[in-house]
Amino acid sequence: AQSVAQPEDQVNVAEGNPLTVKCTYSVSGNPYLFWYVQYPNRGLQFLLKYITGDNLVKGSYGFEAEFNKSQTSFHLKKPSALVSDSALYFCAVRDIPGGYQKVTFGTGTKLQVIP
Amino acid sequence: NAGVTQTPKFQVLKTGQSMTLQCAQDMNHNSMYWYRQDPGMGLRLIYYSASEGTTDKGEVPNGYNVSRLNKREFSLRLESAAPSQTSVYFCASSEPTGMNTEAFFGQGTRLTVV
Repeated sequence: AQSVAQPEDQVNVAEGNPLTVKCTYSVSGNPYLFWYVQYPNRGLQFLLKYITGDNLVKGSYGFEAEFNKSQTSFHLKKPSALVSDSALYFCAVRDIPGGYQKVTFGTGTKLQVIP
Repeated sequence: NAGVTQTPKFQVLKTGQSMTLQCAQDMNHNSMYWYRQDPGMGLRLIYYSASEGTTDKGEVPNGYNVSRLNKREFSLRLESAAPSQTSVYFCASSEPTGMNTEAFFGQGTRLTVV
Protein backbone atom coordinates (compact mmCIF):
# COMPACT_ATOMS: atom_id res chain seq x y z
CA ALA A 1 0.00 0.00 0.00
CA GLN A 2 1.22 3.47 -0.75
CA SER A 3 1.72 6.06 1.95
CA VAL A 4 3.05 9.54 2.51
CA ALA A 5 4.48 11.06 5.67
CA GLN A 6 4.87 14.66 6.69
CA PRO A 7 6.95 14.36 9.85
CA GLU A 8 6.43 17.92 11.09
CA ASP A 9 3.03 19.14 12.24
CA GLN A 10 4.29 22.71 12.21
CA VAL A 11 7.26 24.58 10.79
CA ASN A 12 8.17 28.06 11.95
CA VAL A 13 10.47 30.25 9.89
CA ALA A 14 11.40 33.92 9.96
CA GLU A 15 10.36 36.07 7.04
CA GLY A 16 13.14 36.24 4.47
CA ASN A 17 14.71 32.96 5.54
CA PRO A 18 14.62 29.82 3.40
CA LEU A 19 11.92 27.31 4.23
CA THR A 20 11.64 23.54 3.86
CA VAL A 21 8.56 21.41 4.41
CA LYS A 22 9.40 17.72 4.47
CA CYS A 23 7.64 14.82 2.77
CA THR A 24 8.57 11.18 2.38
CA TYR A 25 6.60 8.57 0.48
CA SER A 26 6.25 4.88 -0.12
CA VAL A 27 4.91 3.36 -3.34
CA SER A 28 5.42 0.04 -5.05
CA GLY A 29 6.44 1.55 -8.38
CA ASN A 30 7.25 4.98 -9.73
CA PRO A 31 5.43 7.81 -7.99
CA TYR A 32 3.46 10.82 -9.05
CA LEU A 33 4.00 13.44 -6.33
CA PHE A 34 2.06 16.61 -5.59
CA TRP A 35 2.16 19.56 -3.23
CA TYR A 36 -0.97 21.52 -2.32
CA VAL A 37 -1.48 24.58 -0.13
CA GLN A 38 -4.56 25.37 1.92
CA TYR A 39 -5.20 28.88 3.19
CA PRO A 40 -7.65 29.32 6.10
CA ASN A 41 -11.25 28.50 5.19
CA ARG A 42 -10.28 27.70 1.61
CA GLY A 43 -9.93 24.58 -0.48
CA LEU A 44 -6.63 23.06 -1.51
CA GLN A 45 -4.69 24.79 -4.27
CA PHE A 46 -2.22 22.96 -6.47
CA LEU A 47 1.40 24.12 -6.12
CA LEU A 48 3.50 21.70 -8.14
CA LYS A 49 3.93 18.10 -9.19
CA TYR A 50 6.61 15.61 -10.12
CA ILE A 51 5.85 13.09 -12.81
CA THR A 52 9.16 12.34 -14.44
CA GLY A 53 12.30 14.10 -15.61
CA ASP A 54 14.21 16.80 -13.76
CA ASN A 55 14.37 16.14 -10.04
CA LEU A 56 13.91 19.83 -9.22
CA VAL A 57 10.36 20.94 -9.91
CA LYS A 58 9.33 24.59 -9.90
CA GLY A 59 5.81 25.63 -9.06
CA SER A 60 3.55 28.50 -8.13
CA TYR A 61 4.42 31.42 -5.81
CA GLY A 62 8.18 30.75 -5.99
CA PHE A 63 7.99 27.28 -4.48
CA GLU A 64 10.05 24.36 -5.68
CA ALA A 65 10.44 20.74 -4.65
CA GLU A 66 13.24 18.26 -4.99
CA PHE A 67 12.52 14.65 -5.83
CA ASN A 68 15.02 12.26 -4.28
CA LYS A 69 14.38 8.68 -5.32
CA SER A 70 17.02 7.09 -3.10
CA GLN A 71 15.64 8.83 0.00
CA THR A 72 12.01 8.57 -1.21
CA SER A 73 11.54 12.24 -0.41
CA PHE A 74 9.87 15.20 -2.05
CA HIS A 75 10.61 18.21 0.15
CA LEU A 76 9.01 21.56 -0.58
CA LYS A 77 11.33 24.57 -0.55
CA LYS A 78 11.37 28.30 -1.02
CA PRO A 79 14.50 30.49 -0.92
CA SER A 80 12.89 33.40 0.94
CA ALA A 81 9.71 33.00 3.00
CA LEU A 82 6.91 35.55 3.02
CA VAL A 83 4.35 36.10 5.77
CA SER A 84 1.71 35.37 3.14
CA ASP A 85 3.14 31.85 2.75
CA SER A 86 1.68 30.96 6.15
CA ALA A 87 -0.76 28.15 5.44
CA LEU A 88 -1.30 24.39 5.64
CA TYR A 89 0.72 22.36 3.14
CA PHE A 90 -0.15 18.88 1.95
CA CYS A 91 2.05 16.39 0.15
CA ALA A 92 0.31 13.72 -1.92
CA VAL A 93 1.41 10.65 -3.84
CA ARG A 94 -0.02 8.13 -6.18
CA ASP A 95 1.41 5.06 -7.75
CA ILE A 96 1.62 4.45 -11.47
CA PRO A 97 -0.70 3.26 -12.88
CA GLY A 98 -3.88 4.50 -11.30
CA GLY A 99 -6.15 7.44 -11.49
CA TYR A 100 -6.43 10.41 -9.16
CA GLN A 101 -8.70 8.39 -6.89
CA LYS A 102 -5.57 6.53 -5.92
CA VAL A 103 -3.92 9.63 -4.48
CA THR A 104 -2.91 9.44 -0.83
CA PHE A 105 -2.58 12.70 1.10
CA GLY A 106 -0.28 13.41 3.99
CA THR A 107 -1.60 14.80 7.25
CA GLY A 108 -0.43 18.31 6.46
CA THR A 109 2.22 20.68 7.81
CA LYS A 110 1.30 24.08 9.14
CA LEU A 111 3.81 26.69 8.01
CA GLN A 112 4.08 29.79 10.15
CA VAL A 113 6.21 32.61 8.76
CA ILE A 114 7.14 35.06 11.50
CA PRO A 115 7.53 38.73 10.57
CA ASN B 1 -14.34 30.86 -14.49
CA ALA B 2 -15.62 29.61 -11.13
CA GLY B 3 -13.80 26.24 -11.03
CA VAL B 4 -15.37 23.97 -8.39
CA THR B 5 -18.32 25.37 -6.44
CA GLN B 6 -19.69 23.79 -3.29
CA THR B 7 -22.85 24.59 -1.37
CA PRO B 8 -23.50 25.20 1.44
CA LYS B 9 -20.33 26.57 3.05
CA PHE B 10 -21.52 25.86 6.60
CA GLN B 11 -24.16 23.56 8.04
CA VAL B 12 -25.24 22.40 11.46
CA LEU B 13 -27.33 19.23 11.66
CA LYS B 14 -28.93 17.33 14.48
CA THR B 15 -28.14 13.64 14.80
CA GLY B 16 -30.38 11.66 12.47
CA GLN B 17 -31.11 14.49 10.08
CA SER B 18 -30.30 14.18 6.40
CA MET B 19 -28.75 16.61 3.96
CA THR B 20 -27.16 16.82 0.54
CA LEU B 21 -23.95 18.64 -0.26
CA GLN B 22 -23.87 20.02 -3.75
CA CYS B 23 -20.85 20.32 -6.03
CA ALA B 24 -20.51 21.66 -9.55
CA GLN B 25 -17.49 22.20 -11.79
CA ASP B 26 -17.21 24.18 -14.98
CA MET B 27 -13.88 22.83 -16.26
CA ASN B 28 -15.42 19.99 -18.30
CA HIS B 29 -13.61 17.44 -16.15
CA ASN B 30 -14.74 13.84 -16.34
CA SER B 31 -13.66 12.81 -12.83
CA MET B 32 -15.03 14.14 -9.55
CA TYR B 33 -14.34 13.32 -5.91
CA TRP B 34 -15.61 13.86 -2.39
CA TYR B 35 -13.12 14.06 0.49
CA ARG B 36 -13.41 14.71 4.17
CA GLN B 37 -10.74 16.53 6.14
CA ASP B 38 -10.25 15.86 9.82
CA PRO B 39 -7.52 17.24 12.09
CA GLY B 40 -4.36 15.14 12.00
CA MET B 41 -5.72 12.85 9.30
CA GLY B 42 -5.24 14.71 6.06
CA LEU B 43 -7.82 14.19 3.34
CA ARG B 44 -9.65 10.92 2.98
CA LEU B 45 -11.58 9.92 -0.12
CA ILE B 46 -15.27 9.18 0.47
CA TYR B 47 -16.52 8.49 -3.05
CA TYR B 48 -15.43 9.29 -6.55
CA SER B 49 -16.87 9.32 -10.03
CA ALA B 50 -14.44 8.48 -12.80
CA SER B 51 -16.89 9.61 -15.44
CA GLU B 52 -20.52 10.56 -15.89
CA GLY B 53 -22.72 7.64 -14.94
CA THR B 54 -20.22 5.87 -12.70
CA THR B 55 -19.50 6.11 -8.99
CA ASP B 56 -17.21 4.10 -6.71
CA LYS B 57 -16.41 3.88 -3.04
CA GLY B 58 -13.29 5.44 -1.65
CA GLU B 59 -11.56 4.92 1.66
CA VAL B 60 -14.41 5.97 4.00
CA PRO B 61 -17.81 5.52 2.26
CA ASN B 62 -19.94 4.31 5.19
CA GLY B 63 -22.83 6.63 5.98
CA TYR B 64 -22.71 8.43 2.65
CA ASN B 65 -24.24 8.15 -0.79
CA VAL B 66 -23.44 10.03 -3.99
CA SER B 67 -25.08 10.94 -7.25
CA ARG B 68 -23.35 12.00 -10.43
CA LEU B 69 -26.22 14.02 -11.79
CA ASN B 70 -24.46 14.98 -15.02
CA LYS B 71 -20.94 15.79 -16.10
CA ARG B 72 -20.89 19.02 -14.07
CA GLU B 73 -22.54 17.97 -10.82
CA PHE B 74 -21.66 15.45 -8.12
CA SER B 75 -23.64 15.46 -4.88
CA LEU B 76 -22.95 13.84 -1.51
CA ARG B 77 -25.82 12.76 0.73
CA LEU B 78 -25.86 11.99 4.42
CA GLU B 79 -29.00 9.96 5.06
CA SER B 80 -28.83 9.96 8.86
CA ALA B 81 -26.15 12.25 10.18
CA ALA B 82 -23.95 11.17 13.09
CA PRO B 83 -21.54 13.22 15.23
CA SER B 84 -18.67 11.23 13.68
CA GLN B 85 -19.51 12.91 10.38
CA THR B 86 -18.58 16.31 11.76
CA SER B 87 -15.86 17.35 9.36
CA VAL B 88 -14.90 19.62 6.51
CA TYR B 89 -15.98 18.21 3.16
CA PHE B 90 -14.24 18.99 -0.10
CA CYS B 91 -15.32 18.30 -3.63
CA ALA B 92 -12.68 18.08 -6.34
CA SER B 93 -12.45 17.40 -10.05
CA SER B 94 -9.73 16.35 -12.45
CA GLU B 95 -9.07 15.15 -15.94
CA PRO B 96 -9.91 11.49 -16.54
CA THR B 97 -8.30 8.84 -14.43
CA GLY B 98 -5.03 7.53 -15.71
CA MET B 99 -3.77 10.96 -16.66
CA ASN B 100 -1.05 12.59 -14.60
CA THR B 101 -2.97 15.71 -13.73
CA GLU B 102 -3.71 17.47 -10.49
CA ALA B 103 -7.14 17.94 -8.95
CA PHE B 104 -8.99 21.20 -8.40
CA PHE B 105 -10.80 21.68 -5.11
CA GLY B 106 -13.85 23.57 -3.97
CA GLN B 107 -13.80 25.84 -0.92
CA GLY B 108 -15.26 23.22 1.35
CA THR B 109 -18.35 22.66 3.50
CA ARG B 110 -17.90 22.80 7.24
CA LEU B 111 -20.45 20.39 8.74
CA THR B 112 -21.21 20.05 12.42
CA VAL B 113 -23.49 17.27 13.66
CA VAL B 114 -24.78 17.78 17.19
